[in-house]
Amino acid sequence: GNSVTQMEGPVTLSEEAFLTINCTYTATGYPSLFWYVQYPGEGLQLLLKATKADDKGSNKGFEATYRKETTSFHLEKGSVQVSDSAVYFCALGADTGGFKTIFGAGTRLFVKA
Amino acid sequence: GAGVSQSPRYKVAKRGQDVALRCDPISGHVSLFWYQQALGQGPEFLTYFQNEAQLDKSGLPSDRFFAERPEGSVSTLKIQRTQQEDSAVYLCASSTTGGGTGELFFGEGSRLTVL
Repeated sequence: GNSVTQMEGPVTLSEEAFLTINCTYTATGYPSLFWYVQYPGEGLQLLLKATKADDKGSNKGFEATYRKETTSFHLEKGSVQVSDSAVYFCALGADTGGFKTIFGAGTRLFVKA
Repeated sequence: GAGVSQSPRYKVAKRGQDVALRCDPISGHVSLFWYQQALGQGPEFLTYFQNEAQLDKSGLPSDRFFAERPEGSVSTLKIQRTQQEDSAVYLCASSTTGGGTGELFFGEGSRLTVL
């Protein structure tokens, strides 16, 4: 069945460092891919998405590219800020006609000033 | 409010008690989902409603779990005879699109602790 695997955390970085959080997926079709973020004390919210192969999603300086050949959707940011400290979830949208969005286990990011 | 609202935010139950968790989705959202999130894990799918129809309940862990959305708006997740392994955060999400292909809008969750 469809699944998502993302790198384990926590990830600790200094402010202005480069961030990569790896995410790979297994899917029978070509579902949309998402990154959700959960800031402390808040609910999950969409960070970015890509709906087809080679699409790049971007938001708030974060980027991720839907790579069909490597079945990956790695999250990157060139210069992190303390305010980026949160838990990041990679997610696989439902196949056409399906209902389940499948989430990875989450990666906690700590950014130090 | 403009977002998904869940209540109660925190619930402590003694083992064997029944609990009911409420979700008020964004107005007009067709799709409503319930997820269970254990500590340190990602959300796990429980069930899906399209309007008032429950189209997928494959993620409900046992027949002690029951969900309804009788008028296609507010939904209730009920857990009967709670067990310690039911302790988790229960997340509700809604979406404008049918099915799970689009963006999900999440509530802040209901944290259930079973003693």
